[in-house]
Amino acid sequence: QSVLTQPPSASGTPGQRVTISCSGSSSNIGSNTVNWYQQLPGTAPKVLIYSNNQRPSGVPDRFSGSKSGTSASLAISGLQSEDEADYYCTAWDDSLNGWVFGGGTKLTVL
Amino acid sequence: QVQLQESGPGLVKPSETLSLTCTVSGGSITSYYCNWIRQPAGKGLEWIGRIYSSGSTNYNPSLKSRVTMSVDTSKNQFSLNLSSVTAADTAIYYCARNSGYYGHFDPWGQGTLVSVSS
Repeated sequence: QSVLTQPPSASGTPGQRVTISCSGSSSNIGSNTVNWYQQLPGTAPKVLIYSNNQRPSGVPDRFSGSKSGTSASLAISGLQSEDEADYYCTAWDDSLNGWVFGGGTKLTVL
Repeated sequence: QVQLQESGPGLVKPSETLSLTCTVSGGSITSYYCNWIRQPAGKGLEWIGRIYSSGSTNYNPSLKSRVTMSVDTSKNQFSLNLSSVTAADTAIYYCARNSGYYGHFDPWGQGTLVSVSS
Protein backbone atom coordinates (compact mmCIF):
# COMPACT_ATOMS: atom_id res chain seq x y z
CA GLN A 1 0.00 0.00 0.00
CA SER A 2 1.66 3.21 -1.19
CA VAL A 3 1.62 6.37 0.92
CA LEU A 4 0.67 8.44 -2.13
CA THR A 5 -2.37 7.34 -4.11
CA GLN A 6 -2.43 7.25 -7.90
CA PRO A 7 -4.90 5.60 -10.28
CA PRO A 8 -3.35 2.35 -11.53
CA SER A 9 -4.15 3.13 -15.14
CA ALA A 10 -5.02 5.93 -17.55
CA SER A 11 -5.56 6.07 -21.26
CA GLY A 12 -6.15 8.42 -24.15
CA THR A 13 -5.99 8.70 -27.90
CA PRO A 14 -3.29 10.60 -29.80
CA GLY A 15 -3.74 14.33 -29.47
CA GLN A 16 -5.90 14.10 -26.37
CA ARG A 17 -5.17 15.59 -22.97
CA VAL A 18 -4.92 13.26 -19.98
CA THR A 19 -4.37 13.95 -16.32
CA ILE A 20 -2.97 11.71 -13.60
CA SER A 21 -3.74 12.47 -9.99
CA CYS A 22 -1.64 11.93 -6.88
CA SER A 23 -3.22 12.17 -3.46
CA GLY A 24 -1.31 12.44 -0.21
CA SER A 25 -1.56 14.01 3.22
CA SER A 26 -0.45 17.00 5.24
CA SER A 27 2.88 15.37 6.09
CA ASN A 28 3.96 14.90 2.47
CA ILE A 29 2.25 16.73 -0.40
CA GLY A 30 0.66 19.20 1.99
CA SER A 31 4.09 20.25 3.29
CA ASN A 32 6.52 19.62 0.45
CA THR A 33 6.85 19.83 -3.29
CA VAL A 34 5.94 17.02 -5.66
CA ASN A 35 8.11 15.43 -8.32
CA TRP A 36 6.95 13.26 -11.21
CA TYR A 37 8.94 10.52 -12.94
CA GLN A 38 8.38 8.79 -16.25
CA GLN A 39 9.48 5.19 -16.70
CA LEU A 40 9.51 3.91 -20.25
CA PRO A 41 9.36 0.11 -20.64
CA GLY A 42 12.61 -1.57 -19.63
CA THR A 43 14.35 1.63 -18.59
CA ALA A 44 15.16 3.53 -15.41
CA PRO A 45 12.80 6.31 -14.35
CA LYS A 46 13.66 9.87 -15.32
CA VAL A 47 12.46 13.14 -13.84
CA LEU A 48 9.58 14.71 -15.74
CA ILE A 49 8.38 17.45 -13.38
CA TYR A 50 10.06 18.71 -10.20
CA SER A 51 9.06 21.22 -7.54
CA ASN A 52 5.36 20.77 -8.46
CA ASN A 53 5.51 22.39 -11.89
CA GLN A 54 9.08 22.76 -13.15
CA ARG A 55 10.22 20.98 -16.29
CA PRO A 56 13.86 19.92 -16.69
CA SER A 57 15.47 20.98 -19.93
CA GLY A 58 14.54 18.60 -22.70
CA VAL A 59 11.08 17.76 -21.36
CA PRO A 60 8.41 18.95 -23.80
CA ASP A 61 6.00 21.64 -22.61
CA ARG A 62 3.18 19.17 -23.31
CA PHE A 63 3.90 17.95 -19.77
CA SER A 64 2.78 20.11 -16.87
CA GLY A 65 2.33 19.68 -13.13
CA SER A 66 0.24 21.34 -10.47
CA LYS A 67 -0.42 21.01 -6.76
CA SER A 68 -3.27 22.05 -4.51
CA GLY A 69 -3.43 21.23 -0.83
CA THR A 70 -2.63 17.56 -0.37
CA SER A 71 -3.06 16.57 -4.02
CA ALA A 72 -1.07 16.98 -7.20
CA SER A 73 -1.69 16.35 -10.87
CA LEU A 74 0.32 15.62 -13.96
CA ALA A 75 -1.22 16.73 -17.26
CA ILE A 76 -0.13 15.56 -20.67
CA SER A 77 -1.53 17.42 -23.66
CA GLY A 78 -1.23 16.46 -27.31
CA LEU A 79 -0.80 12.82 -26.30
CA GLN A 80 1.72 10.87 -28.38
CA SER A 81 2.41 7.16 -28.69
CA GLU A 82 5.84 7.61 -27.11
CA ASP A 83 4.16 8.86 -23.93
CA GLU A 84 3.07 5.30 -23.19
CA ALA A 85 4.87 4.63 -19.91
CA ASP A 86 4.50 4.35 -16.15
CA TYR A 87 4.29 7.60 -14.21
CA TYR A 88 5.15 8.01 -10.53
CA CYS A 89 4.67 10.90 -8.13
CA THR A 90 6.85 11.37 -5.08
CA ALA A 91 7.23 13.76 -2.18
CA TRP A 92 9.23 14.01 1.03
CA ASP A 93 7.25 12.89 4.07
CA ASP A 94 8.03 14.83 7.25
CA SER A 95 6.52 12.17 9.53
CA LEU A 96 8.41 9.26 7.98
CA ASN A 97 11.48 11.41 7.39
CA GLY A 98 11.88 9.95 3.94
CA TRP A 99 10.69 9.91 0.34
CA VAL A 100 7.33 8.33 -0.46
CA PHE A 101 6.11 7.23 -3.87
CA GLY A 102 2.73 6.77 -5.47
CA GLY A 103 1.94 3.29 -6.71
CA GLY A 104 2.40 4.38 -10.30
CA THR A 105 0.01 4.94 -13.20
CA LYS A 106 0.31 2.99 -16.42
CA LEU A 107 -0.58 5.26 -19.33
CA THR A 108 -1.85 3.60 -22.49
CA VAL A 109 -2.13 5.47 -25.77
CA LEU A 110 -5.00 3.88 -27.67
CA GLN B 1 27.43 14.60 -17.83
CA VAL B 2 27.06 12.87 -14.48
CA GLN B 3 26.43 9.14 -14.67
CA LEU B 4 25.65 6.58 -11.97
CA GLN B 5 26.36 2.88 -12.23
CA GLU B 6 25.22 0.18 -9.82
CA SER B 7 27.32 -2.93 -9.35
CA GLY B 8 27.20 -6.05 -7.22
CA PRO B 9 26.16 -9.72 -7.18
CA GLY B 10 23.06 -10.58 -9.16
CA LEU B 11 22.23 -13.53 -6.91
CA VAL B 12 22.10 -13.60 -3.13
CA LYS B 13 21.09 -16.51 -0.88
CA PRO B 14 18.25 -16.14 1.61
CA SER B 15 19.32 -14.85 5.05
CA GLU B 16 22.52 -13.42 3.61
CA THR B 17 23.45 -9.78 3.01
CA LEU B 18 22.86 -7.98 -0.27
CA SER B 19 25.70 -5.56 -1.07
CA LEU B 20 25.65 -3.04 -3.89
CA THR B 21 27.86 -0.12 -4.91
CA CYS B 22 26.94 3.00 -6.84
CA THR B 23 29.82 4.64 -8.71
CA VAL B 24 29.41 8.25 -9.80
CA SER B 25 31.35 9.49 -12.82
CA GLY B 26 31.51 12.85 -14.54
CA GLY B 27 31.03 14.79 -11.33
CA SER B 28 31.71 14.91 -7.61
CA ILE B 29 29.54 13.32 -4.95
CA THR B 30 30.41 16.07 -2.50
CA SER B 31 27.33 17.95 -1.31
CA TYR B 32 24.93 15.45 -2.86
CA TYR B 33 22.65 12.72 -1.56
CA CYS B 34 22.69 9.23 -3.05
CA ASN B 35 19.41 7.39 -2.83
CA TRP B 36 18.73 3.70 -3.21
CA ILE B 37 15.38 2.79 -4.76
CA ARG B 38 14.11 -0.66 -5.72
CA GLN B 39 11.45 -2.07 -7.96
CA PRO B 40 10.19 -5.68 -7.83
CA ALA B 41 9.25 -7.09 -11.19
CA GLY B 42 5.99 -5.61 -12.41
CA LYS B 43 5.58 -3.44 -9.33
CA GLY B 44 6.15 0.15 -8.25
CA LEU B 45 9.11 2.03 -6.86
CA GLU B 46 10.15 1.81 -3.20
CA TRP B 47 12.61 4.22 -1.61
CA ILE B 48 15.13 2.34 0.53
CA GLY B 49 17.10 5.25 1.93
CA ARG B 50 19.77 7.82 1.22
CA ILE B 51 23.21 8.92 2.35
CA TYR B 52 24.74 12.37 2.15
CA SER B 53 28.34 12.82 1.13
CA SER B 54 29.16 13.64 4.75
CA GLY B 55 27.79 10.22 5.79
CA SER B 56 24.48 11.22 7.34
CA THR B 57 21.62 8.89 6.47
CA ASN B 58 17.84 8.58 6.24
CA TYR B 59 16.27 5.14 5.91
CA ASN B 60 12.81 3.87 5.04
CA PRO B 61 11.30 2.94 8.42
CA SER B 62 10.06 -0.38 7.01
CA LEU B 63 13.62 -1.44 6.11
CA LYS B 64 15.62 0.48 8.67
CA SER B 65 16.52 -2.51 10.84
CA ARG B 66 18.20 -4.24 7.88
CA VAL B 67 19.77 -1.36 5.95
CA THR B 68 23.23 0.15 6.19
CA MET B 69 24.61 2.73 3.76
CA SER B 70 28.13 4.08 3.46
CA VAL B 71 30.06 6.54 1.31
CA ASP B 72 33.63 6.65 0.00
CA THR B 73 34.30 10.14 -1.35
CA SER B 74 37.81 9.20 -2.49
CA LYS B 75 36.31 6.66 -4.90
CA ASN B 76 33.14 8.65 -5.67
CA GLN B 77 31.11 5.67 -4.50
CA PHE B 78 28.09 4.95 -2.29
CA SER B 79 27.20 1.52 -0.96
CA LEU B 80 24.11 -0.33 0.22
CA ASN B 81 23.96 -3.34 2.53
CA LEU B 82 20.64 -5.08 3.11
CA SER B 83 20.83 -7.91 5.62
CA SER B 84 18.74 -11.03 6.18
CA VAL B 85 17.29 -11.00 2.69
CA THR B 86 14.31 -13.05 1.57
CA ALA B 87 12.66 -13.63 -1.78
CA ALA B 88 10.66 -10.44 -1.18
CA ASP B 89 13.90 -8.47 -1.65
CA THR B 90 14.24 -9.63 -5.24
CA ALA B 91 14.09 -6.48 -7.34
CA ILE B 92 15.87 -4.09 -9.64
CA TYR B 93 17.91 -1.79 -7.44
CA TYR B 94 18.58 1.77 -8.61
CA CYS B 95 20.80 4.47 -7.23
CA ALA B 96 19.84 8.07 -7.90
CA ARG B 97 21.44 11.34 -6.92
CA ASN B 98 19.69 14.38 -5.57
CA SER B 99 20.90 17.79 -4.52
CA GLY B 100 19.41 19.67 -1.63
CA TYR B 101 17.37 18.08 1.15
CA TYR B 102 14.18 17.99 -0.94
CA GLY B 103 15.71 17.79 -4.40
CA HIS B 104 14.44 15.50 -7.11
CA PHE B 105 16.23 12.35 -8.24
CA ASP B 106 18.47 13.09 -11.19
CA PRO B 107 20.27 11.28 -12.64
CA TRP B 108 19.42 7.62 -12.04
CA GLY B 109 21.62 4.63 -12.61
CA GLN B 110 20.44 2.03 -15.11
CA GLY B 111 19.56 -0.36 -12.30
CA THR B 112 20.80 -3.81 -11.39
CA LEU B 113 18.69 -6.91 -10.88
CA VAL B 114 19.26 -8.76 -7.64
CA SER B 115 17.58 -12.12 -7.15
CA VAL B 116 17.32 -13.84 -3.77
CA SER B 117 17.34 -17.58 -4.15
CA SER B 118 19.12 -20.63 -2.79
